[in-house]
Amino acid sequence: KNQVEQSPQSLIILEGKNCTLQCNYTVSPFSNLRWYKQDTGRGPVSLTIMTFSENTKSNGRYTATLDADTKQSSLHITASQLSDSASYICVVSPYSSASKIIFGSGTRLSIRP
Amino acid sequence: DAGITQSPRHKVTETGTPVTLRCHQTENHRYMYWYRQDPGHGLRLIHYSYGVKDTDKGEVSDGYSVSRSKTEDFLLTLESATSSQTSVYFCAISDEADPSTGELFFGEGSRLTVL
Repeated sequence: KNQVEQSPQSLIILEGKNCTLQCNYTVSPFSNLRWYKQDTGRGPVSLTIMTFSENTKSNGRYTATLDADTKQSSLHITASQLSDSASYICVVSPYSSASKIIFGSGTRLSIRP
Repeated sequence: DAGITQSPRHKVTETGTPVTLRCHQTENHRYMYWYRQDPGHGLRLIHYSYGVKDTDKGEVSDGYSVSRSKTEDFLLTLESATSSQTSVYFCAISDEADPSTGELFFGEGSRLTVL
């Protein structure tokens, strides 16, 4: 069964610190892997999207990496800010299948001043 | 921000009553989706549409129906709401010919409570 597992479930760090969120998946083959940010009470917003042939993608202080061999992705947040407090969702898309996109359950990140 | 509006944003209803959630887009995107989000679960696909009057079931479609009579509107109906359908519902849109490669744009969500 295709799955996307994220860890940790929740994380608390101090403002200004770095952190790394993990995503393990079993979807194969896949078209792309995305990371979304979801603020409380809002819809998810895309941060990065990587095809299977890419191994890193940056968006400001957010850097996503992908290891297709080990089926792992990570999202690294540099110099965290209070506005980074949110849930971060890993999403894996199989080829040409609108109905089979798989969402992880997310990591809840809290940034403390 | 993508032009996606969900209504209502919040609704409380009783078991057995019908409920319709509306998703309206101004982007003229071809694909529209309804997801539900529950604690401990990733977003799960209920139904999706790939054009006017063209819809298909997702992973958790039981108890739900959809309709798309215009490109811009996608309706989700719970014919007889149950407590297990208490959830936050998200509409999403995509414009890619291959939706697995395109970006999904989400609405703000509709929180439904069934008592």
